[in-house]
Amino acid sequence: GENVEQHPSTLSVQEGDSAVIKCTYSDSASNYFPWYKQELGKRPQLIIDIRSNVGEKKDQRIAVTLNKTAKHFSLHITETQPEDSAVYFCAASMGSGYSTLTFGKGTMLLVSP
Amino acid sequence: EAGVAQSPRYKIIEKRQSVAFWCNPISGHATLYWYQQILGQGPKLLIQFQNNGVVDDSQLPKDRFSAERLKGVDSTLKIQPAKLEDSAVYLCASSVGRRDYGYTFGSGTRLTVV
Repeated sequence: GENVEQHPSTLSVQEGDSAVIKCTYSDSASNYFPWYKQELGKRPQLIIDIRSNVGEKKDQRIAVTLNKTAKHFSLHITETQPEDSAVYFCAASMGSGYSTLTFGKGTMLLVSP
Repeated sequence: EAGVAQSPRYKIIEKRQSVAFWCNPISGHATLYWYQQILGQGPKLLIQFQNNGVVDDSQLPKDRFSAERLKGVDSTLKIQPAKLEDSAVYLCASSVGRRDYGYTFGSGTRLTVV
């Protein structure tokens, strides 16, 4: 089955800096890659996703890049703010209506004012 | 739209006791998932339903865990008997079931087994 590795496990940045979280996946058939943000004690929430037919997608301060050849994808957050502090999870699936998401272990992002 | 509803929010039980969790997905979402999230880890799939049929339960410890989704809507997840290592947050999620759609998660049930 699919295996998703996520790095780093923790990331501390100063407010205004950029943050990058990287994930690799094992199954070349995977073609859907969402990112979830989970604040302490709350549910994971989808913040951005990318499909295998594109290499990059942006939404305001967040962007995701995908390299299918290398089987890795990354989350980029620019101009970080304290409210970006949370655990971020990457995930991968084959993108069909029946396929399940396999999650990475998460990255705890701490943004200091 | 209303979100995915789960109850209870918290549960503390002793080992070897039984416990049940309930989930009501978003209306019209055909696919329902139960995930187990151990502290400090990513969610791990336990079982996936498509309407009221099981699509994937390969990672469900069937000697102690069971789940059902009656009438293709609400779902219950049961653990009997519970072990200490079952302490985790149990997340229910639903999706429309069409290609390339992310999940909507419920708030989860935090289970502590003592």
